[in-house]
Amino acid sequence: DAGITQSPRHKVTETGTPVTLRCHQTENHRYMYWYRQDPGHGLRLIHYSYGVKDTDKGEVSDGYSVSRSKTEDFLLTLESATSSQTSVYFCAISEEGHGPQHFGDGTRLSIL
Amino acid sequence: QKEVEQNSGPLSVPEGAIASLNCTYSDRGSQSFFWYRQYSGKSPELIMSIYSNGDKEDGRFTAQLNKASQYVSLLIRDSQPSDSATYLCAGISGGYQKVTFGTGTKLQVIP
Repeated sequence: DAGITQSPRHKVTETGTPVTLRCHQTENHRYMYWYRQDPGHGLRLIHYSYGVKDTDKGEVSDGYSVSRSKTEDFLLTLESATSSQTSVYFCAISEEGHGPQHFGDGTRLSIL
Repeated sequence: QKEVEQNSGPLSVPEGAIASLNCTYSDRGSQSFFWYRQYSGKSPELIMSIYSNGDKEDGRFTAQLNKASQYVSLLIRDSQPSDSATYLCAGISGGYQKVTFGTGTKLQVIP
């Protein structure tokens, strides 16, 4: 299995609070991705990174920011959490931009 | 219109039968396609990658790509109850690094 660790695995927080999710990889892959998965919508890309300090937006980036200061870590921040951001969040990594992605175990985030 | 379309199912097949899962895509420039399996409450797991027209076989799984008709399919031979899961089709379109996922087809294999 690809060495991907997401933390925390579960989190419950209140509307308006900032939340940071962490993705850590041991594969030294260049590409890292954050998705959210909701019923009826499937997996939707939030942000991705193609190198240290190199990031770009996905299709549902509003309300989210990311940072990648080291190859192995990709952080997703909800600046001011809203109930609509309640979801399951997956991190994925890829060795090549056009290649397959491998997923972490996910973070279940509930915003009350 | 979503760029990658799948029938949500559920698709029910008896144990031992062939399960056929289909996916269509809208971006003719798409180059790479992937099938993932996702068990309930778990993360997606890569099953197959396919990059060129034709068939690609791996054990009980065969992926088929037809770029002219813009569809990708996954055949599962000798289906087992353990194959019961949601199958996600994904393609790289609209940008080199951005993978677009379909919403998935739920497969139920009936013992």
